[in-house]
Amino acid sequence: AAGVIQSPRHLIKEKRETATLKCYPIPRHDTVYWYQQGPGQDPQFLISFYEKMQSDKGSIPDRFSAQQFSDYHSELNMSSLELGDSALYFCASSTMTEETQYFGPGTRLLVL
Amino acid sequence: AQSVAQPEDQVNVAEGNPLTVKCTYSVSGNPYLFWYVQYPNRGLQFLLKYITGDNLVKGSYGFEAEFNKSQTSFHLKKPSALVSDSALYFCAVRDMGSGGSYIPTFGRGTSLIVHP
Repeated sequence: AAGVIQSPRHLIKEKRETATLKCYPIPRHDTVYWYQQGPGQDPQFLISFYEKMQSDKGSIPDRFSAQQFSDYHSELNMSSLELGDSALYFCASSTMTEETQYFGPGTRLLVL
Repeated sequence: AQSVAQPEDQVNVAEGNPLTVKCTYSVSGNPYLFWYVQYPNRGLQFLLKYITGDNLVKGSYGFEAEFNKSQTSFHLKKPSALVSDSALYFCAVRDMGSGGSYIPTFGRGTSLIVHP
């Protein structure tokens, strides 16, 4: 079965640079969620989209923005990167009728 | 408000023995409860969920969890542990009460180590 796809899988950036992470949800899933997981931490919810509209907002820094496109894929844009942004970034998708979120493999971001 | 607690950072068990990973939750309404497993450098993998119905939920890879409303718990169990079960396990809850969020809250995770 098709799963959530994230790209890139690994990314190395320097401080103050920008990064764009992409997420392709499971086909027919209309809701996308972004999470940040620091080393040894639980996933922290950043933001979610339903039918291309922002539906919920968590602890996403103002330096980050995200959107969902007409094909339901989503991009997380991160600017003015800081060392503390180094983490695993997960995307998950679901449908509004099913409660289960299915996670992608994650993008490991390292900021030097 | 919704919250979830996993009281054990690490659980050690011998292969072949039963395992339990604990989870307790707090919600104002009815809970939706989930268990996920995370292998090193991998995404979270859905194991099972409780929404309504039978308190004993069966999931992937032989795992099951028991919903206990009076104890507000949702412990993950498996009758016979395998070395390959060694991973990080996350419990998550969604509060279906009025004002509840549809974004689940995750616990801090419990590292399960199964010894040969």
